[in-house]
Amino acid sequence: IAGITQAPTSQILAAGRRMTLRCTQDMRHNAMYWYRQDLGLGLRLIHYSNTAGTTGKGEVPDGYSVSRANTDDFPLTLASAVPSQTSVYFCAPGCTLHNTGELFFGEGSRLTVL
Amino acid sequence: RKEVEQDPGPFNVPEGATVAFNCTYSNSASQSFFWYRQDCRKEPKLLMSVYSSGNEDGRFTAQLNRASQYISLLIRDSKLSDSATYLCVVRPPDNFNKFYFGSGTKLNVKP
Repeated sequence: IAGITQAPTSQILAAGRRMTLRCTQDMRHNAMYWYRQDLGLGLRLIHYSNTAGTTGKGEVPDGYSVSRANTDDFPLTLASAVPSQTSVYFCAPGCTLHNTGELFFGEGSRLTVL
Repeated sequence: RKEVEQDPGPFNVPEGATVAFNCTYSNSASQSFFWYRQDCRKEPKLLMSVYSSGNEDGRFTAQLNRASQYISLLIRDSKLSDSATYLCVVRPPDNFNKFYFGSGTKLNVKP
């Protein structure tokens, strides 16, 4: 989707390594979210940020950290990857200032931790 | 208990059929509801919001039943291109910044 860039699109990673998934938007949405999607479990919220400079924990934050230094970038870091973090990761900017709630998802980052 | 629950399906229907999915939510105070569509190995995309009075967009109708805490999606005159996974999404009342996704209902429309 135009306006959201996730990188890398796919990565194989050894357990114990540090990894940062990048997400950049040019849509100027106030909020940004990181979800992971696993078969049978659906999309689960990892971390979110409702404005630059603030972040919050989602349903499954352990093992992940985020930062929101500006409106456009919202990187997700795995400090020491474990196999259970093998998943598809979606970044999603969204406008949440009103009761609209549309999230615009990036194309996803497929991460395999061996 | 999960915030949002859906029948995973798959629903296998012929072209032209009418099909309906339900999604239940656990927090009775939830205020915002949505249906997203996700094609295989693609990102989810908003299909439609669900309003209290129900709403329609072409062949798609969404309804909310607060008493029974479920939302529904009705697809009329199914097309092959409707084959996808449909995700139910609920925003909790205590944190407007969170969106809870169901695990999705898979629809296969066959010729």
